[in-house]
Amino acid sequence: GAGVSQSPRYKVAKRGQDVALRCDPISGHVSLFWYQQALGQGPEFLTYFQNEAQLDKSGLPSDRFFAERPEGSVSTLKIQRTQQEDSAVYLCASSPTSVGTQYFGPGTRLTVL
Amino acid sequence: QKEVEQDPGPLSVPEGAIVSLNCTYSNSAFQYFMWYRQYSRKGPELLMYTYSSGNKEDGRFTAQVDKSSKYISLFIRDSQPSDSATYLCAMSVYGNNRLAFGKGNQVVVIP
Repeated sequence: GAGVSQSPRYKVAKRGQDVALRCDPISGHVSLFWYQQALGQGPEFLTYFQNEAQLDKSGLPSDRFFAERPEGSVSTLKIQRTQQEDSAVYLCASSPTSVGTQYFGPGTRLTVL
Repeated sequence: QKEVEQDPGPLSVPEGAIVSLNCTYSNSAFQYFMWYRQYSRKGPELLMYTYSSGNKEDGRFTAQVDKSSKYISLFIRDSQPSDSATYLCAMSVYGNNRLAFGKGNQVVVIP
């Protein structure tokens, strides 16, 4: 079946631009996670949704980062006024339950010039 | 100090060798331990999942958890060129499924 998909796969932004990254989780998956993976590093947790409720946003690095999942399915991670340090791969993962295995998408590689 | 430490040094081994990877951690509340494999330009893929201390074997892969030492290991037997990837350890606390990852080990299996 279809896995987690993310779009765009690659995004180049000029410093100061706003970007929106999309995640389509596996159909029916309750939980959705966003992680940030810098070059040569492991993924770092950003935020977690259970259905449409954002239960944990403690990993968001600044108030320029905002995530939503309004209908409990597709999620969007928005970064306002991008900075060079925002350059990273943004990974989305979904899980069928609140504690189950997380299935990752291919990521969106964001480059801020 | 990060919660999860994984020596990120690349590892090159000849085909057929045993690959040994490990992570240490500082949070004694971690109870779920995972190993993910990540190919270049792809998302992490779950390889092994263990709960608490002990060993788990799946084909050529063996995962070990020693909670008393806060140390986990992954062994790959009879390594194949297709095993060439980055291996990430990850762990979580009971009731909180945010994953804490190590930096990852890049493994290259030379034919």
